[in-house]
Amino acid sequence: DQQVKQNSPSLSVQEGRISILNCDYTNSMFDYFLWYKKYPAEGPTFLISISSIKDKNEDGRFTVFLNKSAKHLSLHIVPSQPGDSAVYFCAASDTGNQFYFGTGTSLTVIP
Amino acid sequence: DAGVTQSPTHLIKTRGQQVTLRCSPKSGHDTVSWYQQALGQGPQFIFQYYEEEERQRGNFPDRFSGHQFPNYSSELNVNALLLGDSALYLCASSNGRFAWPQHFGDGTRLSIL
Repeated sequence: DQQVKQNSPSLSVQEGRISILNCDYTNSMFDYFLWYKKYPAEGPTFLISISSIKDKNEDGRFTVFLNKSAKHLSLHIVPSQPGDSAVYFCAASDTGNQFYFGTGTSLTVIP
Repeated sequence: DAGVTQSPTHLIKTRGQQVTLRCSPKSGHDTVSWYQQALGQGPQFIFQYYEEEERQRGNFPDRFSGHQFPNYSSELNVNALLLGDSALYLCASSNGRFAWPQHFGDGTRLSIL
């Protein structure tokens, strides 16, 4: 039973444009959300987080939006750069301890 | 500032054997979580250790056990290995009562023959 879903396995974007990665979850008790980036042969790297008391969090080129009523979050990358090409995972938790991960979206930024 | 370190990097075992994987948390972190990532999937939570005790456990059998030492480092033990245990095992560390965000090591690739 997949509690966190990333329905787009892959996404291609031109350099300089916006990348939007989406994530849906089923458990209404989830309050903590994380985005990670993963390069091959490396562990996931933490990007940005948001808790349910907010609907937006911004860090440089990365912005995460949370829509609790729709059980949906998205990661916006503006502008996209070739170095952003990686697999992106969203993760969610109710306690802040056990995180449930999606299956990832592979982002390719085309120069 | 050392990040999360895991050893070994790669490991090959046969069915029925036992394996121990090791993790040193990021400096200043006291909480260690272990995840299993199968090919093409996201990481799946195995368990979390805080103050040398298992604080939370995911849906994994008792063959998976762990330990946390006074210096916050941790071990993951898997007994009676099955072919399906082949995966990337990731360790993540965090700090304190609210164990997020979690910072990951590069993992141990375990192959079962």
